[in-house]
Amino acid sequence: RKEVEQDPGPFNVPEGATVAFNCTYSNSASQSFFWYRQDCRKEPKLLMSVYSSGNEDGRFTAQLNRASQYISLLIRDSKLSDSATYLCVATNTGRRALTFGSGTRLQVQP
Amino acid sequence: EAGVAQSPRYKIIEKRQSVAFWCNPISGHATLYWYQQILGQGPKLLIQFQNNGVVDDSQLPKDRFSAERLKGVDSTLKIQPAKLEDSAVYLCASSPSRPGETQYFGPGTRLLVL
Repeated sequence: RKEVEQDPGPFNVPEGATVAFNCTYSNSASQSFFWYRQDCRKEPKLLMSVYSSGNEDGRFTAQLNRASQYISLLIRDSKLSDSATYLCVATNTGRRALTFGSGTRLQVQP
Repeated sequence: EAGVAQSPRYKIIEKRQSVAFWCNPISGHATLYWYQQILGQGPKLLIQFQNNGVVDDSQLPKDRFSAERLKGVDSTLKIQPAKLEDSAVYLCASSPSRPGETQYFGPGTRLLVL
């Protein structure tokens, strides 16, 4: 079983739509969680950290459910520029290296 | 602030040949990581350095891969001999040593083994 699992998609949505991605992790020792964004043929870049209380950054909302070992990312009012692969990431703080899911591809269409 | 630098950006070799990649982390970053990203997958950690010491190399195929970080700054990753399944993007990342710090990735080296 993969340590971090995501639906690979692709998610094809129209501009302005709301889209949600889910992710599960298997290592209960994981302590920190992130969403990274990766554009085609580019390196991953941090989108946002994920906290148990939930956090929001503009049109993006991330949630963590430790009991279910589940992470989500909600994107509201999708833009064409949101088209990318979204990588769910878990890490054991003591280890610091990131464990990535395989990514979920989003394509926002005009 | 300059980002993580990597070279070369692209490399094509034949199987059984050797190849080396170079990474220069962000100035002052003590932790350096090498990840392998195969097409359609997320990056997978190969090795993690803290200054010039290895913290985690549990997923490094040591029969063919080696890495070093002399003087705790630049790092090189070598594959010898390369196999077809080594075709991937090799990403270098660096971070300061404070807990919870963000990792910054370089542009990667795209390797194709024929």
